[in-house]
Amino acid sequence: GAGVSQTPSNKVTEKGKYVELRCDPISGHTALYWYRQSLGQGPEFLIYFQGTGAADDSGLPNDRFFAVRPEGSVSTLKIQRTERGDSAVYLCASSGGGGAADTQYFGPGTRLTVL
Amino acid sequence: TQLLEQSPQFLSIQEGENLTVYCNSSSVFSSLQWYRQEPGEGPVLLVTVVTGGEVKKLKRLTFQFGDARKDSSLHITAAQPGDTGLYLCAGGVPGGKLIFGQGTELSVKP
Repeated sequence: GAGVSQTPSNKVTEKGKYVELRCDPISGHTALYWYRQSLGQGPEFLIYFQGTGAADDSGLPNDRFFAVRPEGSVSTLKIQRTERGDSAVYLCASSGGGGAADTQYFGPGTRLTVL
Repeated sequence: TQLLEQSPQFLSIQEGENLTVYCNSSSVFSSLQWYRQEPGEGPVLLVTVVTGGEVKKLKRLTFQFGDARKDSSLHITAAQPGDTGLYLCAGGVPGGKLIFGQGTELSVKP
């Protein structure tokens, strides 16, 4: 596909469970970002990859959150021991270079609901 | 911590009216981007401004970056129902991440 895709589109889980959210960036984009958007709020930065490495993970709220991008393309955001407060839309974006003025192309998001 | 304050949070107007959305910060940003987001979709970029004092126009939308690169505004002329949506400003920082404002939910009634 031409755009950023995210799977699943919706995920409902129970408190305490483990979840994985997947992001397929635009082919050839070296930079990949994860954001979290709560209802009625703007997206909040979580982590940024340049290639395979996490260049900035300062937005991860705690050690229950972890993300990987082993081959520099697809990324997975992993959340352990989910809590109700983790419920939000998780957005992924990719860009060609990772500069401050580069256009970030967003996927449709994964809506996570923790019961 | 860099923050962007966006106002107003909600705006409901009649078709044909003009409106302005503001985005303010005490921090300097490398760039300021405006996005529009529809329900169930990710944000879509409208414009990027990088130079202090820069003004860009996109049809009925006018974007301005403050001289000190700390604030920005979005002005819509003669709003139409198709303009309805969530408008987000985002500041770009070195390293590439974006700092988003809270968003402005715009509703344009026919």
